[in-house]
Amino acid sequence: AQKITQTQPGMFVQEKEAVTLDCTYDTSDPSYGLFWYKQPSSGEMIFLIYQGSYDQQNATEGRYSLNFQKARKSANLVISASQLGDSAMYFCAMREFTGNQFYFGTGTSLTVIP
Amino acid sequence: NAGVTQTPKFRVLKTGQSMTLLCAQDMNHEYMYWYRQDPGMGLRLIHYSVGEGTTAKGEVPDGYNVSRLKKQNFLLGLESAAPSQTSVYFCASSRPGQGTYEQYFGPGTRLTVT
Repeated sequence: AQKITQTQPGMFVQEKEAVTLDCTYDTSDPSYGLFWYKQPSSGEMIFLIYQGSYDQQNATEGRYSLNFQKARKSANLVISASQLGDSAMYFCAMREFTGNQFYFGTGTSLTVIP
Repeated sequence: NAGVTQTPKFRVLKTGQSMTLLCAQDMNHEYMYWYRQDPGMGLRLIHYSVGEGTTAKGEVPDGYNVSRLKKQNFLLGLESAAPSQTSVYFCASSRPGQGTYEQYFGPGTRLTVT
């Protein structure tokens, strides 16, 4: 079974609008962390935001927030006030703390339209 | 700090040739990882290491070997390259333990096997 599922291969958003990128995960480990990374066309992987499984509040980092719904095993990324520079691939990832591996989804390609 | 560096950035191999990709990090991280990224597949873990002298298999280890003789270096070897190993290879490092210990990625190595 897939550990991380991103069901949106591609998304479009108008500049200055908000967009939600979906991510669901599968784990039986009670302790885990969820991550989002951005990969622009230049290829580097950029860490955006982190949510721990025991964190009570949703994580926020500037224009990025993580909508964490533990019971539904979802960790959606919300980007507010989209900018042209947000056009990139976005990857959701999980680390189970009983192991040492990170698991990545297949990514969502976001295009911001002027 | 240079962060995570990878050598080389590009390489073209003929089927059956061998090569070694070098990853180096200057953040004193315990954990290091090798991934491959293929279109539509996200990042898949090849091998990883939780400390000097230790290595473990990830999701797609066949056809690759690794070594971690020094804490700061993680080498990925292809003994007999195959066209199926054409990919972009990323190295990453992270600290151990729970928490916001995201992975830091290198810039990637684009490998083509003809």
